[in-house]
Amino acid sequence: DQQVKQNSPSLSVQEGRISILNCDYTNSMFDYFLWYKKYPAEGPTFLISISSIKDKNEDGRFTVFLNKSAKHLSLHIVPSQPGDSAVYFCAANAGNNRKLIWGLGTSLAVNP
Amino acid sequence: NAGVMQNPRHLVRRRGQEARLRCSPMKGHSHVYWYRQLPEEGLKFMVYLQKENIIDESGMPKERFSAEFPKEGPSILRIQQVVRGDSAAYFCASSKGPDYGYTFGSGTRLTVV
Repeated sequence: DQQVKQNSPSLSVQEGRISILNCDYTNSMFDYFLWYKKYPAEGPTFLISISSIKDKNEDGRFTVFLNKSAKHLSLHIVPSQPGDSAVYFCAANAGNNRKLIWGLGTSLAVNP
Repeated sequence: NAGVMQNPRHLVRRRGQEARLRCSPMKGHSHVYWYRQLPEEGLKFMVYLQKENIIDESGMPKERFSAEFPKEGPSILRIQQVVRGDSAAYFCASSKGPDYGYTFGSGTRLTVV
């Protein structure tokens, strides 16, 4: 029972273009969403988050959009750079529950 | 200014042996979380600990797995009588408290042969 779904296992984009990574969730109790980036042989690194009271959060080249009615969020990276090539995980939690529920990840390749 | 330190980075155990994974949180962090990533899967929550307390162990397998975070020293995830299915990457994260984001270590890759 995958409560957080990342349906695209991989994505390839050209340097300078936009990367859009998608995430869907099923649990309407989730109220906080996070994106992590992971390089091989390293732990996940926090990228950006969004609370359910917002529909957009922006940090430099990274923007996360949340559509609560569709239970969908997306991460936009503009412009994409080769150093952005990594696996991106979407994660969510509910209320004071500190445990994160993770998607399976999307492997992004940014080609020079 | 060390981050979350996990050791060993790689651990090989034979079936039936014990595995001990260590996690030293960031300085000033008193909350520790353990996650496991099985091959081809996302991370799964295992346990959340504060110093000397287990806050949430709802993700821990009922048998053979235990975790502690003593007053002094690192947090330890212990797996007794390992089986092949325990082969995975085990990640530890730490935070200052429940309302703070957390930082992950680089993980311990356990291989059971």
